[in-house]
Amino acid sequence: SQTIHQWPATLVQPVGSPLSLECTVEGTSNPNLYWYRQAAGRGLQLLFYSVGIGQISSEVPQNLSASRPQDRQFILSSKKLLLSDSGFYLCAWSATSGFYNEQFFGPGTRLTVL
Amino acid sequence: DAKTTQPPSMDCAEGRAANLPCNHSTISGNEYVYWYRQIHSQGPQYIIHGLKNNETNEMASLIITEDRKSSTLILPHATLRDTAVYYCIVKASGTYKYIFGTGTRLKVLA
Repeated sequence: SQTIHQWPATLVQPVGSPLSLECTVEGTSNPNLYWYRQAAGRGLQLLFYSVGIGQISSEVPQNLSASRPQDRQFILSSKKLLLSDSGFYLCAWSATSGFYNEQFFGPGTRLTVL
Repeated sequence: DAKTTQPPSMDCAEGRAANLPCNHSTISGNEYVYWYRQIHSQGPQYIIHGLKNNETNEMASLIITEDRKSSTLILPHATLRDTAVYYCIVKASGTYKYIFGTGTRLKVLA
């Protein structure tokens, strides 16, 4: 069966510090991968998605970036965090084959920028 | 932008059916309706999807109107564990992006 991992689960960082969040998927090959952010009390905002190694599509211009160095690894980064980067970060995957492509989400990382 | 409209919140008594509406008046012919839910502090969970026929699985039923401009997710016997935010999403088959709106916050009352 497929599983998706995210770490860390929680993170408290000062403004201006760098960020690296990692997501890995097991039990599937060539998945589509996604990064979402959810601000407190808000809906999910799609940040990035990737359909293959090295292929990243950005949905929202901001000081975050994403990379996919391996087939089942997706990394979210920032060089300098802002207060507005606080939120709940979710990684998700979907199959590239098949018709419906429902998404499966990881447990999330709660980031607080102080 | 999200292509769906949902009420921000609803209450339902435990053991009763919860009927969550969704308006998607601009849906295209190749777009499916998906429902997800998000329990507090967890990632969203897939519930069900459909194109134009009504669908049922072990979690819920999905009723789509004949003109496909709206749908209703039905939880037949709501329990306290069904308290969550429910998201209705339309997406074309073979496309990658899900656009989540703000959803409906369902509170199941004892």
